[in-house]
Amino acid sequence: AQRVTQPEKLLSVFKGAPVELKCNYSYSGSPELFWYVQYSRQRLQLLLRHISRESIKGFTADLNKGETSFHLKKPFAQEEDSAMYYCALSPGDDKIIFGKGTRLHILP
Amino acid sequence: KAGVTQTPRYLIKTRGQQVTLSCSPISGHRSVSWYQQTPGQGLQFLFEYFSETQRNKGNFPGRFSGRQFSNSRSEMNVSTLELGDSALYLCASSLSASVNEQFFGPGTRLTVL
Repeated sequence: AQRVTQPEKLLSVFKGAPVELKCNYSYSGSPELFWYVQYSRQRLQLLLRHISRESIKGFTADLNKGETSFHLKKPFAQEEDSAMYYCALSPGDDKIIFGKGTRLHILP
Repeated sequence: KAGVTQTPRYLIKTRGQQVTLSCSPISGHRSVSWYQQTPGQGLQFLFEYFSETQRNKGNFPGRFSGRQFSNSRSEMNVSTLELGDSALYLCASSLSASVNEQFFGPGTRLTVL
């Protein structure tokens, strides 16, 4: 079964500390993976996708096929990073499966 | 460009009633997807439409249905509402396949009493 697991419901990190939001997926093929973010009172929006291999707002995510993971990382957390983060997987059939999300809280 | 719009923004219904939600995608976008968001289950895929055809469907009962019009606007219908249908219903549009970047609407908050 195709599944996305985000093991942490809430992650609290001090400003300036490194951030790592975990995402594990279950899929036998080569999925396309995404991170979406929802800031307070704003719409859900795409943060980055693994195929682009880019850094957005200082965040990067590396696909590890061996560990079936796609963790989101940032070396130095900023207060404006506080938001809800969703990892998502597309198995290639134009469907997207979301994880349950992790709320990132940056402490001052 | 105007973003994805959803109407109404808030809705209160009682058990057994039916409801229709509307989504207008970004101009030029042909794919519209619907999601149900709840605190317990997170974001769950309902269905996706492209050029008036349903291409994908999630694991929801037949009470949940949708359609897309020739102008790409989409509607979602839920019949015989249950308390558990209370949720935020999100619509997202993308240019072609839904795996492209999806742009989300603000959602419709449905409360079933």
